Amino acid sequence: DTAVSQTPKYLVTQMGNDKSIKCEQNLGHDTMYWYKQDSKKFLKIMFSYNNKELIINETVPNRFSPKSPDKAHLNLHINSLELGDSAVYFCASSPGGHVGYTFGSGTRLTVV
Amino acid sequence: QQQVKQSPQSLIVQKGGISIINCAYENTAFDYFPWYQQFPGKGPALLIAIRPDVSEKKEGRFTISFNKSAKQFSLHIMDSQPGDSATYFCAASKPGGGNKLTFGTGTQLKVEL
Repeated sequence: DTAVSQTPKYLVTQMGNDKSIKCEQNLGHDTMYWYKQDSKKFLKIMFSYNNKELIINETVPNRFSPKSPDKAHLNLHINSLELGDSAVYFCASSPGGHVGYTFGSGTRLTVV
Repeated sequence: QQQVKQSPQSLIVQKGGISIINCAYENTAFDYFPWYQQFPGKGPALLIAIRPDVSEKKEGRFTISFNKSAKQFSLHIMDSQPGDSATYFCAASKPGGGNKLTFGTGTQLKVEL
């Protein structure tokens, strides 16, 4: 029974396409996040939602649009994919406050 | 600007040895310092965390040492095992701001037999 599940696990697509990554958590957490891990394994926050409200929006191209239909789901839509978007995207959730995140297993996006 | 600096980038330790990974931060508003462990193909998993009101926290073979005046903290893995081979990330967050974690650059640990 996966706590934070992401789909798909792998995504290979051509430049210029639009794609979506879905994330669901069954932990009852109020806050969800999207992080990007680059080829050097550096983790950088992209977005965060608290109970469906956007609370963190880092300097991310506006081709990236998150959507949270409810507090258990956080999706990421990417328009006009570029080579530089190739990375592993992690969804995470937390109950808020200084409590650690629970990460999903990641979506490896490869843009060709 | 790298707010949390982590070293070394990679580390090889013999089985049974002590693995030590260091992190330094700049923002004195940070007040929560977790360590994450990541295996290949998996997401990072919380290992241990510390608040700045204590200088050390131990959980099993894993210990965090914290030096508030030096703005440094480190992870010690005692009796390192091959199963500990993974990438380790330190992180930090500050009050408010949606519990945003700022991560270090990661340390790839390999424990050899």
